[in-house]
Amino acid sequence: EVHLVESGGGLVEPGGSLRLSCAASGFSFSSYSMTWVRQAPGKGLEWVSSISSTDRYIYYVDSVKGRFTISRDNAENSVFLQMNGLRTEDTAVYYCGRKYSGSQGIDYWGQGTLVTVSS
Amino acid sequence: NFMLTQPHSVSESPGKTVTISCTRSSGNIASNYVHWYQQRPGSSPTLLIYEDYRRPSGVPDRFSGSIDSSSKSASLTISGLKTEDEADYYCQSYDNNTPYVFGTGTKVTVL
Repeated sequence: EVHLVESGGGLVEPGGSLRLSCAASGFSFSSYSMTWVRQAPGKGLEWVSSISSTDRYIYYVDSVKGRFTISRDNAENSVFLQMNGLRTEDTAVYYCGRKYSGSQGIDYWGQGTLVTVSS
Repeated sequence: NFMLTQPHSVSESPGKTVTISCTRSSGNIASNYVHWYQQRPGSSPTLLIYEDYRRPSGVPDRFSGSIDSSSKSASLTISGLKTEDEADYYCQSYDNNTPYVFGTGTKVTVL
């Protein structure tokens, strides 16, 4: 059974940093692209960043370019999101997701981790 | 880039049918697959429909997806509405520049 478990969220002041982790199990992690999606309180889903299976291809939404860095460790079956220069508008639940093996969709999601940026 | 616009909310009685539209602002809706997700209150999203109309195993056939190129829209139809279908629903597509574009989301209320 596929499991994705996020961790690393918390309360941080504006300008601060956090590193989110997503531990994967139940599938051949190194064969799948992974993605981060966030959801601000009471709002809709927003794609944040994606990384291909061998990290050859990396993408970011414009609002986080230069501040967030996605990475993965296939030996540890984990994907990470390093978030620097955090802003209040980055406050959200951050979900880790596995890209569907066919087209560009997400077939499994984690339970999410809450990031709160506030002074 | 393009946007996907959904109605903010829809409501209907149990046993009835609701249809949620997802309109693409530019480009051809049929050029890239559309996926649909269900997010129940307090839970993570789950994949409901993939590649326009396909259902993952375990998703009841009460849920169906379609594409209408003439209206630049995708649709999610829920028939035989049940109270457990009360949730937020999101469409999602992509293009060469953006791997994931989510719709604005629709709240379904079962009266």
